[in-house]
Amino acid sequence: GAVVSQHPSRVICKSGTSVKIECRSLDFQATTMFWYRQFPKQSLMLMATSNEGSKATYEQGVEKDKFLINHASLTLSTLTVTSAHPEDSSFYICSARGGGYSNQPQHFGDGTRLSIL
Amino acid sequence: DQQVKQNSPSLSVQEGRISILNCDYTNSMFDYFLWYKKYPAEGPTFLISISSIKDKNEDGRFTVFLNKSAKHLSLHIVPSQPGDSAVYFCAASPNSGNTPLVFGKGTRLSVIA
Repeated sequence: GAVVSQHPSRVICKSGTSVKIECRSLDFQATTMFWYRQFPKQSLMLMATSNEGSKATYEQGVEKDKFLINHASLTLSTLTVTSAHPEDSSFYICSARGGGYSNQPQHFGDGTRLSIL
Repeated sequence: DQQVKQNSPSLSVQEGRISILNCDYTNSMFDYFLWYKKYPAEGPTFLISISSIKDKNEDGRFTVFLNKSAKHLSLHIVPSQPGDSAVYFCAASPNSGNTPLVFGKGTRLSVIA
């Protein structure tokens, strides 16, 4: 089945550090990738939608300059949390879906646990 | 306003019995529905989906039922196994290639041996 790889799985760093998270689709071309954030015991909150070769679309309340998204190829999207602070600590999950307009499920990476000290 | 609602935060079921997880939605534009299973510290895993042209889709022990008039869907797991213990998320979207899924808050299923 479709596989999405997310790296790193865990990051612990000091406040003010920028952290880059990679999301790769391993066996399919992902024209669209999504970045989610999950707080403890809460649902997945969509942060942004990225389409290959174009700018990401951010959800209301998500700072574009804080969460930089790049989707430079059909198999790779990156999320960079710039100048991270403790309130950015969370579980970040990416997902990808192939091309076309037929119904297709989103496939998820295993997530990145970000802890800012 | 929540467009996808899972009103039961948790459910306990005995091993071998049926687990029924419910989901309601409000957006009449939704026509593609999915269920995901999630273990702690992992990403969600796709389980089963259903298009609005159907009212039932079955895959092994998992069956999803869709009632469009009631804007309600349910996931049946039978027989339930201890390994099914996880958080189950219901998700929905309009039939558009680039539209993200909208998720419910999840239901934590505990299957007791």
